[in-house]
Amino acid sequence: DAGITQSPRHKVTETGTPVTLRCHQTENHRYMYWYRQDPGHGLRLIHYSYGVKDTDKGEVSDGYSVSRSKTEDFLLTLESATSSQTSVYFCAISINNEQFFGPGTRLTVL
Amino acid sequence: SQQGEEDPQALSIQEGENATMNCSYKTSINNLQWYRQNSGRGLVHLILIRSNEREKHSGRLRVTLDTSKKSSSLLITASRAADTASYFCATDAIIQKSPWGKYGQNFVFGPGTRLSVLP
Repeated sequence: DAGITQSPRHKVTETGTPVTLRCHQTENHRYMYWYRQDPGHGLRLIHYSYGVKDTDKGEVSDGYSVSRSKTEDFLLTLESATSSQTSVYFCAISINNEQFFGPGTRLTVL
Repeated sequence: SQQGEEDPQALSIQEGENATMNCSYKTSINNLQWYRQNSGRGLVHLILIRSNEREKHSGRLRVTLDTSKKSSSLLITASRAADTASYFCATDAIIQKSPWGKYGQNFVFGPGTRLSVLP
């Protein structure tokens, strides 16, 4: 698993509340990614980072923000969660063009 | 719309048969990769084929790439019940972010093919 952990692994929250998901890696890899996975859509890129404080938007970035203040942590924040953000969220790193994924976070927004 | 699109969406075969999944994409790529996902788990990398390669093998996996048709296929030979999973193709492209060379690498996944191998 390339030393990738995600926290929390499961979360239930209410509409309108802020939520932060954490991705942590132990090997100082440069590239980190956040995806969401929904039935019928596969994985869709939310945001990615190519270094500390260097981030960019992906395909479905609306309603999400990210921060990377140190190499090992990539945080995904839902400023005001909506039911449409109920999903499974995967963090990934990239090593030599291959992606390695964390175990995922199942988020339910009621 | 997504860069990669797998076909078929679902495939059911008997153990021992071969399984073929296809992927189409729309723009120029550096590499194309296939990933596998077991239910409730993260994706696991299977194989990468570069844009200047046409075929690649890894164990029971065979991947082909036709850049003129912007398509790839994944063949799993002599399938086993343990091959039951979802399979995704992913394309990547280098994105130039600044004149001084800082760049990002963007991956785009297709919606996946759900493979069921029946014993």
